[in-house]
Amino acid sequence: GAVVSQHPSWVICKSGTSVKIECRSLDFQATTMFWYRQFPKQSLMLMATSNEGSKATYEQGVEKDKFLINHASLTLSTLTVTSAHPEDSSFYICSALNPGQGSSYEQYFGPGTRLTVT
Amino acid sequence: AQRVTQPEKLLSVFKGAPVELKCNYSYSGSPELFWYVQYSRQRLQLLLRHISRESIKGFTADLNKGETSFHLKKPFAQEEDSAMYYCALSGYNNAGNMLTFGGGTRLMVKP
Repeated sequence: GAVVSQHPSWVICKSGTSVKIECRSLDFQATTMFWYRQFPKQSLMLMATSNEGSKATYEQGVEKDKFLINHASLTLSTLTVTSAHPEDSSFYICSALNPGQGSSYEQYFGPGTRLTVT
Repeated sequence: AQRVTQPEKLLSVFKGAPVELKCNYSYSGSPELFWYVQYSRQRLQLLLRHISRESIKGFTADLNKGETSFHLKKPFAQEEDSAMYYCALSGYNNAGNMLTFGGGTRLMVKP
């Protein structure tokens, strides 16, 4: 089946620094990837949609200058949290759309990255 | 705007009891609905989708357009069914396809 990986699985950084999270589709090419944020015991909130070769589309309320998304290849999207603050601490999850599924629309999810900003 | 509502944050049942996890949606077009499951310390994974009308791990879900519902059911719950369950709706934003998730329901199956 389609596998999506994320790296790192967890990261601790100091306030004011930047941290990059990678999302890779391992056995398929994904023209579209998604970035979600999940707070403890809450649902997933879509942050942005990342299309290969173009700028990401951010959901309302998500600061594009703070959460930089790059989707430079068909198997890799990155999320960079710039000038991180403690309130950015969260679980970040990516997913990738597998076009091989035909007309059916299915996202495959990564295992998530836990970010803690101290 | 599309919205998915799961009214119960927690559902606790005994093993062997029937279980129904509720999901209601609002969407102006023709919806495509999914149930995702997240077991402890594991990634989110697709459980079933309404267009395939399949039964996975004994779970079924029927789309009721009149009631705008897509409730997940299983006649006899098992302990290994304990997990977080998310109902999701496929729709469109400016970037194309997107999933909108409900708030999730934690299912606890007690022995």
